[in-house]
Amino acid sequence: EIVMTQSPATLSVSPGERATLSCRASQSVSSNLAWYQQKPGQAPRLLIYGASTRATGIPARFSGSGSGTEFTLTISSLQSEDFAVYYCQQYNNWPGLTFGGGTKVEIK
Amino acid sequence: QVQLQESGPGLVKPSETLSLTCTVSGGSISSYYWSWIRQPPGKGLEWIGYIYYSGSTNYNPSLKSRVTISVDTSKNQFSLKLSSVTAADTAVYYCARDRGYYYGSGIMDVWGKGTTVTVSS
Repeated sequence: EIVMTQSPATLSVSPGERATLSCRASQSVSSNLAWYQQKPGQAPRLLIYGASTRATGIPARFSGSGSGTEFTLTISSLQSEDFAVYYCQQYNNWPGLTFGGGTKVEIK
Repeated sequence: QVQLQESGPGLVKPSETLSLTCTVSGGSISSYYWSWIRQPPGKGLEWIGYIYYSGSTNYNPSLKSRVTISVDTSKNQFSLKLSSVTAADTAVYYCARDRGYYYGSGIMDVWGKGTTVTVSS
């Protein structure tokens, strides 16, 4: 099983600032990586797939990068609605899928 | 647009079988892969398994011995059964659609709102 590790567990950021979230895979997943946003009481929402392609309707302030084992999600200027938990997920091993443990982005 | 709705008992006794159904509306269940994912309280996401509209399945190895996912195309529904449940199976259970059309991509672009299942006597 491919293990996905996210860091940090919690990120405290002020509105308007940049947030950088990391995700590491235990073995190469090529660019087969997605990012999801989850707000309290809600289902996850697809943000990014293919490591860097924004899903439909996702604002340009969200960007993804990386390949192989190291990936980054960047939120260029945090808005109030962006405070949430973010999960990375690999699908290189499809149909076996694994998620990271999540990074909570909270208001500083 | 396509919407998913989970339904089923919110309380299941230990050792019994958890049964949930996901109803697909606003689109057809055909030509897509569909999955179940769960999230224990305060924890992360765990993929449970996939089903294609044709009925082919694939399960998380850690749950494979206890999981059955089935599909009813006439009702535009797919279902999850998890046997011999324990308190560790207490979670919010989500159904989701794979964004691939006629193929599985591993990317889930439509999710249900989730349903909470508690395992307790």
